[in-house]
Amino acid sequence: QKEVEQNSGPLSVPEGAIASLNCTYSDRGSQSFFWYRQYSGKSPELIMFIYSNGDKEDGRFTAQLNKASQYVSLLIRDSQPSDSATYLCAVSHMDSNYQLIWGAGTKLIIKP
Amino acid sequence: DTAVSQTPKYLVTQMGNDKSIKCEQNLGHDTMYWYKQDSKKFLKIMFSYNNKELIINETVPNRFSPKSPDKAHLNLHINSLELGDSAVYFCASSQGLSGKGSYNEQFFGPGTRLTVL
Repeated sequence: QKEVEQNSGPLSVPEGAIASLNCTYSDRGSQSFFWYRQYSGKSPELIMFIYSNGDKEDGRFTAQLNKASQYVSLLIRDSQPSDSATYLCAVSHMDSNYQLIWGAGTKLIIKP
Repeated sequence: DTAVSQTPKYLVTQMGNDKSIKCEQNLGHDTMYWYKQDSKKFLKIMFSYNNKELIINETVPNRFSPKSPDKAHLNLHINSLELGDSAVYFCASSQGLSGKGSYNEQFFGPGTRLTVL
């Protein structure tokens, strides 16, 4: 069974520091990787996706993909209290009809 | 303009009742989904429809029945509600199903919080 693993946290980071969120996946054939943010009581919203090895940057967010080691990370620079949320990692695979397979999420707390 | 909408936002009902949740998307997407998120926040896929055809039906009780009258709508009907059905139900949509990352990006509705008493 294809799995996506995340540390549930909470991960506590001081304001202004870099928050690093990690996700590992079990299937080497996984093709696209997504990071979603979910505020308490709200629906998940996409932060960014990545499908090539290496880094992809968007503002304060950087996604890092290492297919050889089967992990994908999300870095948040200059963390703000408004970044406090649960971050969900999701992976798509051809064998699952490209459905997204979800991790359980990491709760991030940014301390002022 | 709301991209993915769900009604109702809150649903409180008694055990044994039958209820429906409606979902509509105005994004022109081909694929729609129903998810259940329990108190532990794990997002579990229940159903997926592509162009009105059922693509995936995870092991959910047959008390749950999805209906897709057209590509823009995917409704969820639940018979004989049980206490364990209490959760937040999310509808989502994506352009389609493909190896391309952006094609699989899912847009979520606001959720329906179901409470079974």
